[in-house]
Amino acid sequence: DVKVTQSSRYLVKRTGEKVFLECVQDMDHENMFWYRQDPGLGLRLIYFSYDVKMKEKGDIPEGYSVSREKKERFSLILESASTNQTSMYLCASSLVRQGEYGTEAFFGQGTRLTVV
Amino acid sequence: SQQGEEDPQALSIQEGENATMNCSYKTSINNLQWYRQNSGRGLVHLILIRSNEREKHSGRLRVTLDTSKKSSSLLITASRAADTASYFCAGETSGSRLTFGEGTQLTVNP
Repeated sequence: DVKVTQSSRYLVKRTGEKVFLECVQDMDHENMFWYRQDPGLGLRLIYFSYDVKMKEKGDIPEGYSVSREKKERFSLILESASTNQTSMYLCASSLVRQGEYGTEAFFGQGTRLTVV
Repeated sequence: SQQGEEDPQALSIQEGENATMNCSYKTSINNLQWYRQNSGRGLVHLILIRSNEREKHSGRLRVTLDTSKKSSSLLITASRAADTASYFCAGETSGSRLTFGEGTQLTVNP
């Protein structure tokens, strides 16, 4: 079974801190994603990576950066945490789509981040 | 911007009834996927329908796709209390990018 592991289930950080959220997948997937989930807003894409060192901005990249130095690991970085970044963060991975065949995404369990 | 918008936002039914959730999307997609999320957990993939398909079945799930209306529906037949969860549609666009909607909270009462 594919496993996507996020380093923490719960995290509490102070305003202004630099925060690292780590995600590791064990199925050699090319694609990795970071989303945040807020009540009433669904999942919003922060960043997307389709290969090592490659990244694309999602819909809400402001205040975040990412790092993908190895294929299995995708890190989300909050450069200077703010209270409006309190949220559930979800990491996912998937294979590259082959022609007309889509591929499902596999999700980690999420990290609930509180910034105080 | 959100790819999908789910309708309704919340749905409460009795066990044994059917549950229908709708999703509309804005841009062209390669396929549309449905996911389920139990409270406070990660999402689990349920079913994928390609843009050249109109209907797909998997167990008690039936998905339809109307690309002319940019809409999809998920039907869960003979619902069970264990089906209580949030359901999300997601459109896959170029480069395997996956964009989600806001979700429908389904409650199945025993």
